[in-house]
Amino acid sequence: EVQLVESGGGLVQPGGSLRLSCAASGFTFSSYWMHWVRQAPGKGLEWVANIKQDGTAKYHVDSVKGRFTISRDNAKNSLYLQMNNLRAEDTAVYYCVNRDLDYWGQGTLVTVSS
Amino acid sequence: DIQMTQSPSSLSASVGDRVTITCRASQGIRNDLGWYQQKPGKAPKRLIYAASSLQSGVPSRFSGSGSGTEFTLTISSLQPEDFATYYCLQHNSRGTFGQGTKVEVK
Repeated sequence: EVQLVESGGGLVQPGGSLRLSCAASGFTFSSYWMHWVRQAPGKGLEWVANIKQDGTAKYHVDSVKGRFTISRDNAKNSLYLQMNNLRAEDTAVYYCVNRDLDYWGQGTLVTVSS
Repeated sequence: DIQMTQSPSSLSASVGDRVTITCRASQGIRNDLGWYQQKPGKAPKRLIYAASSLQSGVPSRFSGSGSGTEFTLTISSLQPEDFATYYCLQHNSRGTFGQGTKVEVK
């Protein structure tokens, strides 16, 4: 059974940091690009970042460039999103996604508030 | 960055209606586009990939068309379970979602 399980969300103050993790199972994790997608409360979907199979290429949406970094550890079948200098507008549910196979995690909520 | 303009933002329809949703890309994206359905509190589910290919298990009343900059999702006969929000996603260059279309009961 395919599973993508996100963790690491929570409440953080503006300017703070969080590291999201996504544990993958049920498919060959190292064979696929992986993505982070977020959805602010009551809003639409926003693509955040993606990373190549071997981690040698990674891309981020302009609104998070310089603050967020996507990474992966294929030995641990894990995807990460390091989020620094968080802002209120980063408040959202963050999904770990295998777009090719259309696998989505259940999402983890990040709330940025003082 | 590639921008995706999706229209309409919402529509009201009845069971049995034909529904059409459009996405326009700010530059050509070949057929690097998917259509997604999202219901409240759930992760999105892909309906169409490569602009016009039906995802396995998705009813044939859903269809996609287009290439380059203009894309369309059509639901040929709306069913009760189709009331949801729909998004396009381009993956030609990084990724961009359309703003979404909420399909509501008329």
